[in-house]
Amino acid sequence: GAGVSQSPRYKVAKRGQDVALRCDPISGHVSLFWYQQALGQGPEFLTYFQNEAQLDKSGLPSDRFFAERPEGSVSTLKIQRTQQEDSAVYLCASSLLRGLGGELFFGEGSRLTVL
Amino acid sequence: DAKTTQPTSMDCAEGRAANLPCNHSTISGNEYVYWYRQIHSQGPQYIIHGLKNNETNEMASLIITEDRKSSTLILPHATLRDTAVYYCIVTEGSGNTGKLIFGQGTTLQVKP
Repeated sequence: GAGVSQSPRYKVAKRGQDVALRCDPISGHVSLFWYQQALGQGPEFLTYFQNEAQLDKSGLPSDRFFAERPEGSVSTLKIQRTQQEDSAVYLCASSLLRGLGGELFFGEGSRLTVL
Repeated sequence: DAKTTQPTSMDCAEGRAANLPCNHSTISGNEYVYWYRQIHSQGPQYIIHGLKNNETNEMASLIITEDRKSSTLILPHATLRDTAVYYCIVTEGSGNTGKLIFGQGTTLQVKP
C-alpha cells in the first residue's frame, strides 16, 4: 500500500516478555518517528530517525525501549521486559523531508496490551 | 516548544462551519502552527499549517491573528466524518527534528 504500515496491529504480552513492533514507512521518506499514545491522551514523542541515524531519542521512557532503522527504511521498536504501564498504542510516522518541513504521515498504530 | 490551549470539546451541526480555536500566546517568531486530527482508532492526519498568513487547502482554512497568539481552524461544511480529536501544535518549522507535542486536543462532535 501507499501508506505507513505497522505490524502487528494488536499485541498482547505477559509482563516481562519482550516485544517488537514494526514500521514500514512510505517509500523514499527520509524521516521516521515513533510516538506512544496512552488511552485518552494525545500521542507522545518517543524517537526520531533521519535515514538510518537516530537523531533524537529523548522521549524513550526507559532503557527497556530501543528503536532501530538499520537501512534507513523499515524501523523496529523493541520493548524489553514489558510492564503494565507500557500498554498503549504505538504510532509510527514518516515524512519526505528532513526535520519538520511538511506533513507527517501516520500509520494506524500497534496496540500493545501488557497483562 | 510553545504550548497551546484548546477547548476540551465542541459540537457542530452537520453542514455548518466548525470553528476550532487555539491559543498559543508564547509562540516565537520562527514557530509554525500545525493542525492534525485523529479519528477514532486511526493515526493522526495532517490538516494544515501556517506561519503568519492565513492558509487554505481542500480540507480547511487556518486563520492566524496578527499578533500570532491565537489561531482558528475552520472546517467550512462539517460532515459526520469530521468527528475527531483536533490537535493544535506549535513547533519550529525547519531544522527541527519534527518533535510534535500533541497535547489533549479538542474533541469535535458533528451532529446530524
